[in-house]
Amino acid sequence: TQLLEQSPQFLSIQEGENLTVYCNSSSVFSSLQWYRQEPGEGPVLLVTVVTGGEVKKLKRLTFQFGDARKDSSLHITAAQPGDTGLYLCAVDYTGNQFYFGTGTSLTVIP
Amino acid sequence: DAMVIQNPRYQVTQFGKPVTLSCSQTLNHNVMYWYQQKSSQAPKLLFHYYDKDFNNEADTPDNFQSRRPNTSFCFLDIRSPGLGDAAMYLCATSRESSYEQYFGPGTRLTVT
Repeated sequence: TQLLEQSPQFLSIQEGENLTVYCNSSSVFSSLQWYRQEPGEGPVLLVTVVTGGEVKKLKRLTFQFGDARKDSSLHITAAQPGDTGLYLCAVDYTGNQFYFGTGTSLTVIP
Repeated sequence: DAMVIQNPRYQVTQFGKPVTLSCSQTLNHNVMYWYQQKSSQAPKLLFHYYDKDFNNEADTPDNFQSRRPNTSFCFLDIRSPGLGDAAMYLCATSRESSYEQYFGPGTRLTVT
């Protein structure tokens, strides 16, 4: 059983379309992070959400933490080819032990 | 720029031949992590150091060992690599009690 389930697993869309990626768990977390990983590179931190119901925006990316702090979503508006990558949610589960979600591989076609 | 450096970026080793991957950081973070990431999968935590305190994940094979001689450096030793150990190995750092990790570019290990 995965601690963090992400959906969809794979997503291929045309440039300019909108999309939403989900990260779900049955556990409650004090915070949750989103990372993007490009092929052949390490993950890069995008955002940390800590408050239930919190919404953070990073240019065309909107992150939301669920009210119960069990889930999160990432919405991308007007996707661009540069958004292509593996999107990972992660939590610090037991103190300095980070666990990643199952990942969403996004391809944006020009 | 403060960063996490991994060497080499690509490593080829033979089945059963010990290999060491290295990681260094200029962030002065006291926590360092090693992850294994196989193709199209999420990174999987192998172990982490909190200062010099080593913390092994329960399902990390004994074949994997680590050393942290000082704050800046951490090594991953694979004693007898198998074909199933071919993967990207990621090093990361964080400050204690911080939610955020900083990753190196990874070392891609091939086992022939």
